[in-house]
Amino acid sequence: TQLLEQSPQFLSIQEGENLTVYCNSSSVFSSLQWYRQEPGEGPVLLVTVVTGGEVKKLKRLTFQFGDARKDSSLHITAAQPGDTGLYLCAEKPSGGYQKVTFGIGTKLQVIP
Amino acid sequence: DVKVTQSSRYLVKRTGEKVFLECVQDMDHENMFWYRQDPGLGLRLIYFSYDVKMKEKGDIPEGYSVSREKKERFSLILESASTNQTSMYLCASSLNLDSPLHFGNGTRLTVT
Repeated sequence: TQLLEQSPQFLSIQEGENLTVYCNSSSVFSSLQWYRQEPGEGPVLLVTVVTGGEVKKLKRLTFQFGDARKDSSLHITAAQPGDTGLYLCAEKPSGGYQKVTFGIGTKLQVIP
Repeated sequence: DVKVTQSSRYLVKRTGEKVFLECVQDMDHENMFWYRQDPGLGLRLIYFSYDVKMKEKGDIPEGYSVSREKKERFSLILESASTNQTSMYLCASSLNLDSPLHFGNGTRLTVT
């Protein structure tokens, strides 16, 4: 099972600040997903990145997949309290039955 | 919108009890999954099912079993609950191998 490392584990910032969280692996990702989990709810998929070097934007969120497909980052511009939650990266393997492996997550708190 | 419904948000059970966690999805998804989520350990896959009456072990199946008699329902069974099974349990479903996971809101189980 691939090991996914996320950093930082905890982040507390003021509204309006920018932040970046990271997801790294010891081996190449087939594809990489980012989920957000709000308190009391299940994770919700934000994006899937597949191609090395790929960049995807979702409003104020920018997702980047490393050229070597061993790392990914999520950058949030001008964070808002609604961005508070647990951000999880996950590897979705190619082929076979879908057995997604999750990182531990980055717990983000945005203070108004 | 896909809806994955877990029958209980909170459960308190005693050591040794047999516990049933129920999950129902309303979108005719092929695949269903049970994860547990623990602080510092992230989401870990217990069991998954890719078809009715089919099941596959995940990363931590010990102490658990599952049942999928109908396509829309996937049950997780703790044969004899133990305190180390106190956790948040998340059910998920996906349409096929290439589609994202849709999670329920979780069942927080406490075993005393």
